[in-house]
Amino acid sequence: AQSVTQLDSQVPVFEEAPVELRCNYSSSVSVYLFWYVQYPNQGLQLLLKYLSGSTLVKGINGFEAEFNKSQTSFHLRKPSVHISDTAEYFCAVSDSGGSNYKLTFGKGTLLTVNP
Amino acid sequence: NAGVTQTPKFQVLKTGQSMTLQCAQDMNHNSMYWYRQDPGMGLRLIYYSASEGTTDKGEVPNGYNVSRLNKREFSLRLESAAPSQTSVYFCASSAWTGQPQETQYFGPGTRLLVL
Repeated sequence: AQSVTQLDSQVPVFEEAPVELRCNYSSSVSVYLFWYVQYPNQGLQLLLKYLSGSTLVKGINGFEAEFNKSQTSFHLRKPSVHISDTAEYFCAVSDSGGSNYKLTFGKGTLLTVNP
Repeated sequence: NAGVTQTPKFQVLKTGQSMTLQCAQDMNHNSMYWYRQDPGMGLRLIYYSASEGTTDKGEVPNGYNVSRLNKREFSLRLESAAPSQTSVYFCASSAWTGQPQETQYFGPGTRLLVL
């Protein structure tokens, strides 16, 4: 069975500072990894995803994530955050072992960007 | 192109009442999903439908039923609501073309309060 652990439930940062949101996963088969963002009172939308190939994945709004198979991690980074990045961020994993691709989500990290 | 739409946006029920949450997508997607989101728990899959005519249980199906009415619509029914079902409910869809994990597209959510 697959699982996702987001190591920080809340991350407060100041505007223009760098940020890293941490995600570790476990799975016995090859995985596909995702980061979704949820702005206040909205549904989730995809930031980026890793399927194969280059381990550094670039997404929307200047975010990027690096897949590290040996450490089973997929941390999300942004070099300089804006107030508008305040949101909850969810890491998710899907594996290739089933007949239907289902996502397992982490519990979320609330990123708060302060002026 | 509205994407994924959900009705109602907000609902208050008394314990024991029933209701149906509606979801529709206009992206010609094959797969549809129902999740619930609770504070500190992330998103948990209730039911999913890999294609029209099929439905399967997810992680937390107890107390819920679903109907895949046609390719566009996927409804979630609470037969006898309980306070533990107070949550935010999200519907999502994905293309499911058989390629490595497609993105899931989420609706804006339904906030349900059971008294």
